[in-house]
Amino acid sequence: DQQVKQNSPSLSVQEGRISILNCDYTNSMFDYFLWYKKYPAEGPTFLISISSIKDKNEDGRFTVFLNKSAKHLSLHIVPSQPGDSAVYFCAASEVDYGGSQGNLIFGKGTKLSVKP
Amino acid sequence: DTGVSQDPRHKITKRGQNVTFRCDPISEHNRLYWYRQTLGQGPEFLTYFQNEAQLEKSRLLSDRFSAERPKGSFSTLEIQRTEQGDSAMYLCASSFGTSGRKTQYFGPGTRLLVL
Repeated sequence: DQQVKQNSPSLSVQEGRISILNCDYTNSMFDYFLWYKKYPAEGPTFLISISSIKDKNEDGRFTVFLNKSAKHLSLHIVPSQPGDSAVYFCAASEVDYGGSQGNLIFGKGTKLSVKP
Repeated sequence: DTGVSQDPRHKITKRGQNVTFRCDPISEHNRLYWYRQTLGQGPEFLTYFQNEAQLEKSRLLSDRFSAERPKGSFSTLEIQRTEQGDSAMYLCASSFGTSGRKTQYFGPGTRLLVL
């Protein structure tokens, strides 16, 4: 059973518009979330993270929103650029009771295409 | 470049052979994680180290998989008696600190093809 779900396999947006990528999770123990971008044949590149004590975190064109009650997070990219075209992964940190472990549980990814 | 590095980037082997991959983490990072990614899936956690101690290995896919980090610096992942189902991208990541709530930085991966 998937604990982190990205239900949209792909998303296409026009350059300059907003891209919104969504992610849902099922485990209420998750309290730290990350977004990664991945190009083919490369490793994931860290974009932005959010702790469950916050509901929003911004870094330049990237903003992540967290709705704990809905177990939902989203990544907003404004404005979208053609270079943003990649696969975006949502991940949750699987922390044990001591707050130590921290392996990541990933969704299946959403392929974003930004058209010029 | 002070990022995570992995070697080799690509490996083609025949079924039944053993393969070993190497990961060099970011130099000050004490934690090192191994993941596997197959087509259409997100990375899947395998094992992790804090310094030289392997703190979680129950997610290794079978007893054919093993990992080491003997001096708390680089790590190796070995797959014995490879099978075609082992074909995947093997990713290494590192982070700093003892909290699980830390950003992990990934290397470029090793793509394994088992014929």
